[in-house]
Amino acid sequence: DSGVTQTPKHLITATGQRVTLRCSPRSGDLSVYWYQQSLDQGLQFLIQYYNGEERAKGNILERFSAQQFPDLHSELNLSSLELGDSALYFCASSPSLAGEYEQYFGPGTRLTVT
Amino acid sequence: EDKVVQSPLSLVVHEGDTVTLNCSYEVTNFRSLLWYKQEKKAPTFLFMLTSSGIEKKSGRLSSILDKKELFSILNITATQTGDSAIYLCAVTNSGNTPLVFGKGTRLSVIA
Repeated sequence: DSGVTQTPKHLITATGQRVTLRCSPRSGDLSVYWYQQSLDQGLQFLIQYYNGEERAKGNILERFSAQQFPDLHSELNLSSLELGDSALYFCASSPSLAGEYEQYFGPGTRLTVT
Repeated sequence: EDKVVQSPLSLVVHEGDTVTLNCSYEVTNFRSLLWYKQEKKAPTFLFMLTSSGIEKKSGRLSSILDKKELFSILNITATQTGDSAIYLCAVTNSGNTPLVFGKGTRLSVIA
């Protein structure tokens, strides 16, 4: 158990819908990272927050957005869902901004868009 | 653009064999290279390497980094079926960056 929690574990929804994935980082970690993992693309970085502020953006679609709240939990919002958005979504956390600490991953949310 | 290439993409070995997994990288202002093991779900952290030539070891697993040739290897000795997993390599640079992952090596250990 990494100490990072994610809910829900599984989500099945229809195309065009909107969903929210939630992540609570390890106690004391200020950075939260979101990753998407699909079979053909591997682990792709989406977005990073540090202490409530967006710090880095990766291959995140405009239909996706995220935020980090004062209690440091984070939510990833996916809207106008398409079949191709079906994937595992991981949240990871680390104590700081820089890459000097390893990231610890949550168990993931498996999203299936039908 | 930062890049990580892992080889082989997949590997099947018998219990007791020793395996070497490879990771080469291109990254501006390299800071660290990390190895993760992914079984059914979340990647779990194995090693972080920042200095060349210093071996990190944990039980039957060990890893070393060559910053001149821009690669790392992960060795697993006396493999067991529980070592079956995808092994992921990732790098960071000195800026505020996320991990850049390779596509992983799928290791299958058969009894």
